[in-house]
Amino acid sequence: AQTVTQSQPEMSVQEAETVTLSCTYDTSESDYYLFWYKQPPSRQMILVIRQEAYKQQNATENRFSVNFQKAAKSFSLKISDSQLGDAAMYFCAYRSARANSKLTFGKGITLSVRP
Amino acid sequence: ETGVTQTPRHLVMGMTNKKSLKCEQHLGHNAMYWYKQSAKKPLELMFVYNFKEQTENNSVPSRFSPECPNSSHLFLHLHTLQPEDSALYLCASSQGPSGANVLTFGAGSRLTVL
Repeated sequence: AQTVTQSQPEMSVQEAETVTLSCTYDTSESDYYLFWYKQPPSRQMILVIRQEAYKQQNATENRFSVNFQKAAKSFSLKISDSQLGDAAMYFCAYRSARANSKLTFGKGITLSVRP
Repeated sequence: ETGVTQTPRHLVMGMTNKKSLKCEQHLGHNAMYWYKQSAKKPLELMFVYNFKEQTENNSVPSRFSPECPNSSHLFLHLHTLQPEDSALYLCASSQGPSGANVLTFGAGSRLTVL
């Protein structure tokens, strides 16, 4: 079974600085997708970024980028120029490319941003 | 406003009550999901529907009864719940069941069982 591990329950970053959130996963499959979701206090789970395992290039979305290390099964999220609105829970998630596969989440990490 | 709408946002019920959670998606998606989010635990998948047919029941107790009358609507009927069922219930939808499809979530229904 696939598992997703986020070992840091909380992190804090100064506004305008950079922070990296860690995630590791376990799978025996070669074709899959990885995601980072953000859940602010409004509770809406919002997709931040998506990585396809067969692509070597790391995904980037504006201030958000990932460091995808397939061999190490590591998928960290880097937030540059942190803003107050980035404060939220962040969830790492895994989904096999097979049809009807489950989206498996980590426990999440609470990110606070200091003004 | 999100493409996935959940009502009610908050629900308090006694253990003998019967209530329902509603989810509606305006994205033209064909797959819908119920997740349970409890404090300090990963999100737990409960049910999956593809084209109105249930394709996943993740060993959910029978006191939770899902209903999917069409691809746009999903309900979760609740009866004789336990206090440990108190949680945030999230609905999501995706274009289809492929692993490539991204899930879009609603804002959740916060359930408290007294």
